[in-house]
Amino acid sequence: AQTVTQSQPEMSVQEAETVTLSCTYDTSESDYYLFWYKQPPSRQMILVIRQEAYKQQNATENRFSVNFQKAAKSFSLKISDSQLGDAAMYFCAYMRGSNYKLTFGKGTLLTVNP
Amino acid sequence: DTGVSQNPRHKITKRGQNVTFRCDPISEHNRLYWYRQTLGQGPEFLTYFQNEAQLEKSRLLSDRFSAERPKGSFSTLEIQRTEQGDSAMYLCASSAISRRGDNEQFFGPGTRLTVL
Repeated sequence: AQTVTQSQPEMSVQEAETVTLSCTYDTSESDYYLFWYKQPPSRQMILVIRQEAYKQQNATENRFSVNFQKAAKSFSLKISDSQLGDAAMYFCAYMRGSNYKLTFGKGTLLTVNP
Repeated sequence: DTGVSQNPRHKITKRGQNVTFRCDPISEHNRLYWYRQTLGQGPEFLTYFQNEAQLEKSRLLSDRFSAERPKGSFSTLEIQRTEQGDSAMYLCASSAISRRGDNEQFFGPGTRLTVL
């Protein structure tokens, strides 16, 4: 069974600084996707960024980028120029294949200090 | 269409009662997923539908749980004889089966269930 591990229950960052959230996963599959989802307090979950396992290039979406280390089964999220609105719970998630259920980690609560 | 909607947003019930939740996915999405999220945990998969067919159920989904998607549009999740351990946020998500890479699951706001 696939598992996703987020080893940092909480992180904090100063506004405008950079923070990296860690995620490791375990799978024997070769075809999969990895995602970072953001869940703000009392609001619904939204996709931040996704990475296809076949692609060697790390995904980037504006201030958000990932460091995908396939051999190490590591998928970290870097948030640059942190903003107050980035404060949320961040979940790393795994999807076998390209259209299937998500397996989530336990999440990392990010606090952004002004 | 403004996204995935779920009703009710909150439900408080007494142990032993039955409850039903509804999810309306994004209209063109043919995949619909149910997840359960307890405090301090990530969402856990319960079941999913492709159109009206229920394709997979998690072992978390005991016999007291049943889900339907009768016309391939909205879905309901019913819990019979609720137990205090059923207290959680129930999340619905939908996605479209399309070209590879376009696989984002869009989540609703969730239904928070409290069983007294």
